[in-house]
Amino acid sequence: KNQVEQSPQSLIILEGKNCTLQCNYTVSPFSNLRWYKQDTGRGPVSLTIMTFSENTKSNGRYTATLDADTKQSSLHITASQLSDSASYICVVSETGANNLFFGTGTRLTVIP
Amino acid sequence: EADIYQTPRYLVIGTGKKITLECSQTMGHDKMYWYQQDPGMELHLIHYSYGVNSTEKGDLSSESTVSRIRTEHFPLTLESARPSHTSQYLCASGGQGYDTQYFGPGTRLTVL
Repeated sequence: KNQVEQSPQSLIILEGKNCTLQCNYTVSPFSNLRWYKQDTGRGPVSLTIMTFSENTKSNGRYTATLDADTKQSSLHITASQLSDSASYICVVSETGANNLFFGTGTRLTVIP
Repeated sequence: EADIYQTPRYLVIGTGKKITLECSQTMGHDKMYWYQQDPGMELHLIHYSYGVNSTEKGDLSSESTVSRIRTEHFPLTLESARPSHTSQYLCASGGQGYDTQYFGPGTRLTVL
């Protein structure tokens, strides 16, 4: 059973609009949570990494939040651009291990 | 930008052929990884290495093998390719401890 669940599975938004992607996880003990952006046919590129003590982290127009109590994270994209069209993958790491648990991703399409 | 490379980017071969997917990084990372990703699905870890002469199998069973003779090089070999091996193969490397993984561009393998 996948320990990282992402929603929605896919999303279409108009250019300039904001959107929020969700990630729920059951991985324990928790070490850190990462958001990656993966363009079609390319390898994932890291956007943010957050540890247990971090609630929010920004990278340009991307802002990730983490609630370690409820085991939920979100990725908010502000003023979307066409180049934001990609899959966004949530990855959770276990403490003391090298296990990374990958979500299936949210496929975002930004249309003009 | 991460300095991790994979060749070839695309490969179409016939059943029974032996192939080697190349992965190299110039960041001096000890840890390297191979993931398999089917379209629209999550990444699955198939092999990893913590350093020279160290290789381990990942969560997903794979008929492929790997070697780590040099820090910067982590090739993956399929002795006899089959159509079930058709997938995207992503190589990644990471530093010690709390560190992001840097992904290569991937190799899209099709076995006819």
